[in-house]
Parts: sequence; structure tokens; C-alpha cells
Amino acid sequence: KAGVTQTPRYLIKTRGQQVTLSCSPISGHRSVSWYQQTPGQGLQFLFEYFSETQRNKGNFPGRFSGRQFSNSRSEMNVSTLELGDSALYLCASSFQGEGTEAFFGQGTRLTVV
Amino acid sequence: AQSVTQPDIHITVSEGASLELRCNYSYGATPYLFWYVQSPGQGLQLLLKYFSGDTLVQGIKGFEAEFKRSQSSFNLRKPSVHWSDAAEYFCAVEGGGADGLTFGKGTHLIIQP
Repeated sequence: KAGVTQTPRYLIKTRGQQVTLSCSPISGHRSVSWYQQTPGQGLQFLFEYFSETQRNKGNFPGRFSGRQFSNSRSEMNVSTLELGDSALYLCASSFQGEGTEAFFGQGTRLTVV
Repeated sequence: AQSVTQPDIHITVSEGASLELRCNYSYGATPYLFWYVQSPGQGLQLLLKYFSGDTLVQGIKGFEAEFKRSQSSFNLRKPSVHWSDAAEYFCAVEGGGADGLTFGKGTHLIIQP
């Protein structure tokens, strides 16, 4: 079966702009989580959505937001981009979140200039 | 809050030699434990997981890991490494329902011919 699909794979944006990233989970998975990966901070949890509701949130400013649709596809949005937002953004899907295996997409590489 | 420590930033191993990557975690109860591997520019692939039961778990690609509660450790092992094992390895912990996966900083594995 198809894996987790993230689009786009690469993105270049200018400071102050906003960006939307998309994640299509594995069929049947209802939990989608987002992570930011940077060389300095490593992998950090952004938020988790389950059945269209944000269930958990990491320690990121309100500029980072997300949503989940009825088909479990998820989007994350970053407004007022800063240079420090340059990172690899990874999406993970699992059947029901904690205690079930999380499968990751290949990520979206965001560069803010 | 839970935390994960991977004390070795880089490890160099000769092809065919055995491998052990260290992971220590801090968590109040027995967490869910994972090892992921990441190749350059790619997402994370799950190698193995521990939820409960037998403390020695087998994973893909010939990897295994042992959960030692008394040492709060979950070390990854492989009896004989291949050049294709060169990658970044991440240990992760999950539990408590609030923070998603908490990752270590990763260990970069280099394979010498």
C-alpha cells in the first residue's frame, strides 16, 4: 500500500511570506503528526491531529498551525516566515497515535531566504 | 518531561564488524521505544519498536535492540554491518500522551571498507 506522501518536496520562500505543506497519510491511518528537523535542534514535535482535531501540540509559536480533513489528509501552515524556519518538515501517520507505529514521509525541505 | 540521549554523535565501523548504538531515556514509566534510520535527504524509516513483553526485539535489516529498564537504555545492535547501513540513526521515546515522539540527537554511522 502507498506510504506517506508529502508535497511539495522542496520549497523556497521569502521572509514574511506564509507557506502551506501537505501530507497524505497511509490509508486507514487517522493520526497525523508533524515534526521539524534542523541541524541545531534536531527533530522536534510540532503537533498531532486525530480525526480532524488537534490532540497534542509541541512548543512552537502560534505562527505554526495545522488542520486535518475528513479523509485524514493534513496541512500545516507557517505564517510570517523567519529565516530560522528553514528546515525539513516531516509528517508521520499512524493508526491511532501513541502506542502505534508511526510511518514517516520523505519530508518537505523549506528554505527561507 | 521525557528525554533521549544518544551519547555518540559519530561512530565509524569497518564493514563486517559488529555495531552497537547507545540510547538512554528519561521517563517516569515504561515508555514506547523506537529506533529509526534516516538516509541523506530522506524521511525516517522504522527499524524496530518496543512496546512491552520480550525485552529483546528484532527489527528489519538484521537489527535488534534490548530494553534494559534498570539502565533506562535501549541499545541498537547488528552483528555484521554492510556499507549500505551508513546513515543517521535516531532513538525515540513516546509516552504520556502529550509530546509525540521525543528523539535523540542522532548517531551518524560511517562504514569503513
